[in-house]
Amino acid sequence: NAGVTQTPKFRILKIGQSMTLQCAQDMNHNYMYWYRQDPGMGLKLIYYSVGAGITDKGEVPNGYNVSRSTTEDFPLRLELAAPSQTSVYFCASSIVVSDSPNYGYTFGSGTRLTVV
Amino acid sequence: RKEVEQDPGPFNVPEGATVAFNCTYSNSASQSFFWYRQDCRKEPKLLMSVYSSGNEDGRFTAQLNRASQYISLLIRDSKLSDSATYLCVAVNQAGTALIFGKGTTLSVSS
Repeated sequence: NAGVTQTPKFRILKIGQSMTLQCAQDMNHNYMYWYRQDPGMGLKLIYYSVGAGITDKGEVPNGYNVSRSTTEDFPLRLELAAPSQTSVYFCASSIVVSDSPNYGYTFGSGTRLTVV
Repeated sequence: RKEVEQDPGPFNVPEGATVAFNCTYSNSASQSFFWYRQDCRKEPKLLMSVYSSGNEDGRFTAQLNRASQYISLLIRDSKLSDSATYLCVAVNQAGTALIFGKGTTLSVSS
């Protein structure tokens, strides 16, 4: 059972380039999330998905896009990379059932992105 | 007021000490709360959920005060391995995602 797998672990991009951060989970979790964490800061929600085919913006969605074509995969797309997008990106998943407590997240190991 | 606020620390304590972290949250409708642990350059990992009645897991005790919108984490008999950043977490207003505090850094020394 791999949990949440993120690739790549590290990447350096030039300004204006684009890339896709991959995230896959094998726990049959319905919810998936993308966060970014800047040094000394908390995690900020970029996008989330409550199920296949459904995505919603979080706190800091500008400059990013996501898709959720399957339950397992939730890729994050960066178009026209900017230095402000230098950060550590974490993907997470959870099982959420209405009228039941949220059981918390399982995180991937993160992608360290530098835009130069 | 930020959604989840915590004292960033750092808290520097000797082995064996008892240390307490506090956190406040702004959304009175939040139903679920957690403490996560994050080691340097690693992903956050769930430490424990926080229940209204308070809950204990070994040396760790979490308390929730809904009236004051206040959450605490108590660590007894600190170990070197407890050195990490502790993140206070609440569910967002829509109930769809977690809101993380910036974290409190703990350093335990021998």
